[in-house]
Amino acid sequence: DVKVTQSSRYLVKRTGEKVFLECVQDMDHENMFWYRQDPGLGLRLIYFSYDVKMKEKGDIPEGYSVSREKKERFSLILESASTNQTSMYLCASSLFQMNTEAFFGQGTRLTVV
Amino acid sequence: AQSVTQPDIHITVSEGASLELRCNYSYGATPYLFWYVQSPGQGLQLLLKYFSGDTLVQGIKGFEAEFKRSQSSFNLRKPSVHWSDAAEYFCAVGPNTGKLIFGQGTTLQVKP
Repeated sequence: DVKVTQSSRYLVKRTGEKVFLECVQDMDHENMFWYRQDPGLGLRLIYFSYDVKMKEKGDIPEGYSVSREKKERFSLILESASTNQTSMYLCASSLFQMNTEAFFGQGTRLTVV
Repeated sequence: AQSVTQPDIHITVSEGASLELRCNYSYGATPYLFWYVQSPGQGLQLLLKYFSGDTLVQGIKGFEAEFKRSQSSFNLRKPSVHWSDAAEYFCAVGPNTGKLIFGQGTTLQVKP
């Protein structure tokens, strides 16, 4: 069964902390994505990666960075967490080939206080 | 600009009634279209997708959607709603790689 696992369901961090959100997929997918979900705004793409050590900015990359050292793992990093980064974060993965869809993790609800 | 609009933020239907959730998109290239569902506290599950071919696509849980190029729409339908269908529904468009543009979402409430 397809699986995208996010390491934490809930996180509470303090303003200014460096925060790591981890995502692992077991489907040997080339593509991995980080989305942010906010009420009334839907999901917005933060960063994505088509291969190991490759990354590309999405629509809202400011305040975030990513790391992909292994194919199955994609980390989202908040260099200095701020309260406006309180949100639900969703990781997804997909195959590089045509005619496929993205599979999502359960999400990490991050609260920055 | 590429965008997806779900005009209805919140919809309430009675159990057993029919359902239609609207989705309009603006996308420069040939769109690949998706509907996802999110139950409370859960990630997104794919209901159905349209890549090409027959414009009426069938999905899981009895859902279907129709692609209308002339109207730039991809509306989701179900003939008879069940209480377990209460969730948030997202329409998305993009290349078929997961780099998607999502609508704002429609929350479905089902009355007994």
